[in-house]
Amino acid sequence: EDQVTQSPEALRLQEGESSSLNCSYTVSGLRGLFWYRQDPGKGPEFLFTLYSAGEEKEKERLKATLTKKESFLHITAPKPEDSATYLCAVEGGATNKLIFGTGTLLAVQP
Amino acid sequence: DVKVTQSSRYLVKRTGEKVFLECVQDMDHENMFWYRQDPGLGLRLIYFSYDVKMKEKGDIPEGYSVSREKKERFSLILESASTNQTSMYLCASSPTGGAGELFFGEGSRLTVL
Repeated sequence: EDQVTQSPEALRLQEGESSSLNCSYTVSGLRGLFWYRQDPGKGPEFLFTLYSAGEEKEKERLKATLTKKESFLHITAPKPEDSATYLCAVEGGATNKLIFGTGTLLAVQP
Repeated sequence: DVKVTQSSRYLVKRTGEKVFLECVQDMDHENMFWYRQDPGLGLRLIYFSYDVKMKEKGDIPEGYSVSREKKERFSLILESASTNQTSMYLCASSPTGGAGELFFGEGSRLTVL
């Protein structure tokens, strides 16, 4: 079964404390992996697309990487404004639809 | 600034009422989607459309219908609202070939009493 699993469910960091969020997937024929940021009460905002193992994308304090089984979202020296839920989605599998994970709720304390 | 606009941020309806959720995008995107988001279940696809007057069922279409009469507008209809349809509803759009790079609206939080 095509599946996307994100871990941890929640993560609390101190400002400046770097860490990584994980997105593992079991999807055949991966066409793309996507990261989104969602603030409370708002719709998700697109961050990155990764297409193949070894690919990396960066935006400010965020860097996304991809292997054949998982993706990591690395957050370097986070600030309180990085607090949000980060969603991972995968396109591919039997139906070629977009499958979302349930997200990681990140809280960065000053 | 590109935008997906959902007509209502918060709605409270009674069981059995017909509910319309409207979504308009100003990016000339071909693809439009309706998702619902529930705690612990993530985003689940209700319906999508790749062209005007075209619609396809997503993963959880039961109890919903959609309408796309114009390219920029995609409406979600709950024919007879039930309490288990209480949820956050998210509309999204994407250009052709960009199925995974979605632009979302702010969401419509529906409560059915």
